[in-house]
Amino acid sequence: AQKVTQAQTEISVVEKEDVTLDCVYETRDTTYYLFWYKQPPSGELVFLIRRNSFDEQNEISGRYSWNFQKSTSSFNFTITASQVVDSAVYFCALIDYNTDKLIFGTGTRLQVFP
Amino acid sequence: DTGVSQDPRHKITKRGQNVTFRCDPISEHNRLYWYRQTLGQGPEFLTYFQNEAQLEKSRLLSDRFSAERPKGSFSTLEIQRTEQGDSAMYLCASSFRGGSYEQYFGPGTRLTVT
Repeated sequence: AQKVTQAQTEISVVEKEDVTLDCVYETRDTTYYLFWYKQPPSGELVFLIRRNSFDEQNEISGRYSWNFQKSTSSFNFTITASQVVDSAVYFCALIDYNTDKLIFGTGTRLQVFP
Repeated sequence: DTGVSQDPRHKITKRGQNVTFRCDPISEHNRLYWYRQTLGQGPEFLTYFQNEAQLEKSRLLSDRFSAERPKGSFSTLEIQRTEQGDSAMYLCASSFRGGSYEQYFGPGTRLTVT
């Protein structure tokens, strides 16, 4: 069965702290895609990144970076120098390769305090 | 370049009433998905279309739910004889099959059944 686990329900940090959001996935597929989405208080899910199973290179985009490790089935997300605007719920997701439907974790609520 | 739009944004209805939601995908996207999100949970897949064909329905989609995508453009999701358990955020997403698998989400329709 395919599954995504985000064990951290809620994280609180003070502005400028670094924070890492954990994501562990399960799949039997050899080819798969992983995603991170951000859901701010407005409710709309915002796509952040896609990573395919053949590419284990870490990716950096500004203050955001992602660490994909197949050996531990993890796809962790780090925000460097967090800002108040980063406060949101962050979802990790796995795609079902046959149907393209997304399988989401339960999300991690990040609160960044000034 | 407009994103995915959904209408209405909020709907309050009494138990037993029928409701219909509309989703307009990104114009060049051929896949359209419906998800449901309850408080504190990640979105759960309901159904999806490729062009006008409905290709899969989740077991979450009881016979009170029906979705259509006439002419492969906008889609509607109807819930008949609403129950309090139907209260949730209904999210629509679209993607381009043959592309890079990202799904882009609309702002959602929040349904409250009283």
